[in-house]
Amino acid sequence: DAKTTQPPSMDCAEGRAANLPCNHSTISGNEYVYWYRQIHSQGPQYIIHGLKNNETNEMASLIITEDRKSSTLILPHATLRDTAVYYCIVPPSGTYKYIFGTGTRLKVLA
Amino acid sequence: EAGVVQSPRYKIIEKKQPVAFWCNPISGHNTLYWYLQNLGQGPELLIRYENEEAVDDSQLPKDRFSAERLKGVDSTLKIQPAELGDSAVYLCASSGGPTDTQYFGPGTRLTVL
Repeated sequence: DAKTTQPPSMDCAEGRAANLPCNHSTISGNEYVYWYRQIHSQGPQYIIHGLKNNETNEMASLIITEDRKSSTLILPHATLRDTAVYYCIVPPSGTYKYIFGTGTRLKVLA
Repeated sequence: EAGVVQSPRYKIIEKKQPVAFWCNPISGHNTLYWYLQNLGQGPELLIRYENEEAVDDSQLPKDRFSAERLKGVDSTLKIQPAELGDSAVYLCASSGGPTDTQYFGPGTRLTVL
């Protein structure tokens, strides 16, 4: 199973880009990288996922390194409402078993 | 499109009492998950359903926990009897379609006194 490693916490100034790293050095070739976030007292919210190519949607961009051993979630213009715990998840190949870990607690500062 | 609906949002009970949580997944999603989230931790899978069938219940403590999804849509998770250590947030998620991305409900926060 591809284990993910994330920093426990990060701060970001409001309006600046928030770059959240994730290490998944044991990822297999057909395993996707998913990102979720959880705002206090809410369920996890899907953000984005990718396999090899960089991905972008209305919420964020996902940059996956060429060797796929790490990725970065980018929130281009962080707002106070982006304060949350961010989880990087790599479900084992052929399964949908999400292993959340403890994630990165992002605090966006005014 | 309506998201995953869970009820109740909060529940307070005394230990040894039974409790049940209800989940209505996103319309058309065949796969339903129940997760347990302890304070300060990430969610952990309890059980996964494909339609009516529980295809992964290896992490469900079967001595006191049970779940059902009788018609392959709504699901109920039950604890009987509840213990102090069951205080946590119980999350429901569903997935379907080409990507199998899981979408989560708001959760039920259980407090056992």
